[in-house]
Amino acid sequence: GAGVSQSPSNKVTEKGKDVELRCDPISGHTALYWYRQSLGQGLEFLIYFQGNSAPDKSGLPSDRFSAERTGGSVSTLTIQRTQQEDSAVYLCASSPRRSNTGELFFGEGSRLTVL
Amino acid sequence: QQQVKQSPQSLIVQKGGISIINCAYENTAFDYFPWYQQFPGKGPALLIAIRPDVSEKKEGRFTISFNKSAKQFSLHIMDSQPGDSATYFCAASKEGGTALIFGKGTTLSVSS
Repeated sequence: GAGVSQSPSNKVTEKGKDVELRCDPISGHTALYWYRQSLGQGLEFLIYFQGNSAPDKSGLPSDRFSAERTGGSVSTLTIQRTQQEDSAVYLCASSPRRSNTGELFFGEGSRLTVL
Repeated sequence: QQQVKQSPQSLIVQKGGISIINCAYENTAFDYFPWYQQFPGKGPALLIAIRPDVSEKKEGRFTISFNKSAKQFSLHIMDSQPGDSATYFCAASKEGGTALIFGKGTTLSVSS
């Protein structure tokens, strides 16, 4: 299929380790979003990319979190020195529109468990 | 600051009944209000969306009602079916903005 692809689908790591989560958006989609979904907390916005630029990083919870996007396509979310509170499902979404007032196409997420 | 407040947190409805989920927003600049549906293990998917120039939008069994003066909007699912059992998220954004802001979700269970 040509949907948004995320890897790994599951990641278990030890506290203090670094993790990288990958997102392959739908081909041609210029906008890319990362969200975090924790139990009872809904979908928490992390960062927005338009092309390779990130005009909105306001949702990144701390400087342990960073993200990049290369070639206007693949994006990587990196969490350094993971903490137990980082355990969540990390969702990536893409959109063909520059504006955020349109449909977002989500991947199935990467479930991160920090022991 | 929670910009989109959703209720109830969970909902149990009998098959054939009407499911109603409510959302309230604070930012009057918001001009796009979608609802997303999420099944376990899957990402959310757009269900239906409305803009503030209309008070109601219907797609099949799903209807959004929008009250601009009250800054509220709701999702109505008519003739609810067990296959509608999922988590529903309301959201809001503004043209020219970046993030789509989501509510905390409502877990709907439709009993047969």
